[in-house]
This record gives sequence, structure tokens and C-alpha cells, in this order.
Amino acid sequence: SQTIHQWPATLVQPVGSPLSLECTVEGTSNPNLYWYRQAAGRGLQLLFYSVGIGQISSEVPQNLSASRPQDRQFILSSKKLLLSDSGFYLCAWRRDRAHYGYTFGSGTRLTVV
Amino acid sequence: EDQVTQSPEALRLQEGESSSLNCSYTVSGLRGLFWYRQDPGKGPEFLFTLYSAGEEKEKERLKATLTKKESFLHITAPKPEDSATYLCAVQGSGNTGKLIFGQGTTLQVKP
Repeated sequence: SQTIHQWPATLVQPVGSPLSLECTVEGTSNPNLYWYRQAAGRGLQLLFYSVGIGQISSEVPQNLSASRPQDRQFILSSKKLLLSDSGFYLCAWRRDRAHYGYTFGSGTRLTVV
Repeated sequence: EDQVTQSPEALRLQEGESSSLNCSYTVSGLRGLFWYRQDPGKGPEFLFTLYSAGEEKEKERLKATLTKKESFLHITAPKPEDSATYLCAVQGSGNTGKLIFGQGTTLQVKP
């Protein structure tokens, strides 16, 4: 069966520090992968998506970047965090059967202080 | 531009008091409308997919319906455990599978 792993679960980082969030998917190949951010009391904002290794599309200009070094690995990074980067970050993948839309990871709560 | 608007933002119900959540959307070539449930501090959990106007799906106390411009999530005789944020999302034409989400409706059911 397919599973998605996302870590860490919580993270507190100072302003100006780097960031690396990792997401991996098991049990499938060549998935579409997505990074979303959810600010407090708001909906999910699509940040990046990837349809294959090395293929990254950015949805909004920001302080973040994404990479896909392996088929089932998706990484969200920043060189210098801003206060406005705080939020709940969710990784998702699209199952082969589009019927189900996305399957989400458990999320990372990032607080920039 | 694809867009999703959910209302109300927050809803408080007494246990057993039925109600509906609204999801209005504009999208180029609807390929699917999705409902998710999200508990605090967790990732969204899939509930339903609707594909065409007139379609209905049911699961326990929840029923989702779809028209050409909006979707409703009907909650019949809710229980406290139905308390959560309910998210609506649409997928338009294109091969990327991107979902555009609404801001969600936070439901609180009091015993």
C-alpha cells in the first residue's frame, strides 16, 4: 500500500536560519508531488508541484524553493527564513486513481521566531 | 482563474442539529470537486469526489452534492466527533493534478 512520510512534525527556527523539510512516498512510482502551506485560519496555498525528478513548478514567488532529487522524494528548502514563513506545511501526492485527489502527509508546524 | 469560496467560515451546531456547508467555485473544465476533513494539527483526510452536476455521495452523516457552480456538504444529526474543518477543492483541466482549495469551514458540534 502507498504511504507518505513527512518530517519533522514541529520545528522552531530563528529568523535567517536555513530550512529543509523532507517528504517521501512509498509504494508507488512517478507520483505527482505537491507542497502546500496553511496559514492559521486559512486555506491551503499551493507552493510547488513536481511531475517528475528534477521538474519543479513554483506557484507563488517567495522565500522558499523545492527540489526532487529522487522519484519519491520531495524537499522544501529556504536559505534564510522570514517570520512570514511560519505556518503548517503539507506534502501531498496524487494517487494513480485520481478519484481520490491527494493523499496528504501529517504536516510540519514551522514557527519562525 | 480557478477559485473556490467556502461559507460560512465557522459554524456552531448543537448535537443533532442538521445543517449545510457551501462551496462555490469557478474553474476551467472541472475534472473533480473534492471534500476533505481536517482535524487540528493533522493533514486533510479525503471524504468525497464529485465529477458532474447532479452527482451525490454519502458517508455516514455526510452527504455531498454538486451543481454547476457550487457544492454542498450536508451534515445530518451531527455528533461532537464531527467537529473539524471541512475543506473543498477543485481540480481543473490540465495534467498537473493541481487542487485549488477554499479556506475551509470550521464546524463545532456541541453535546
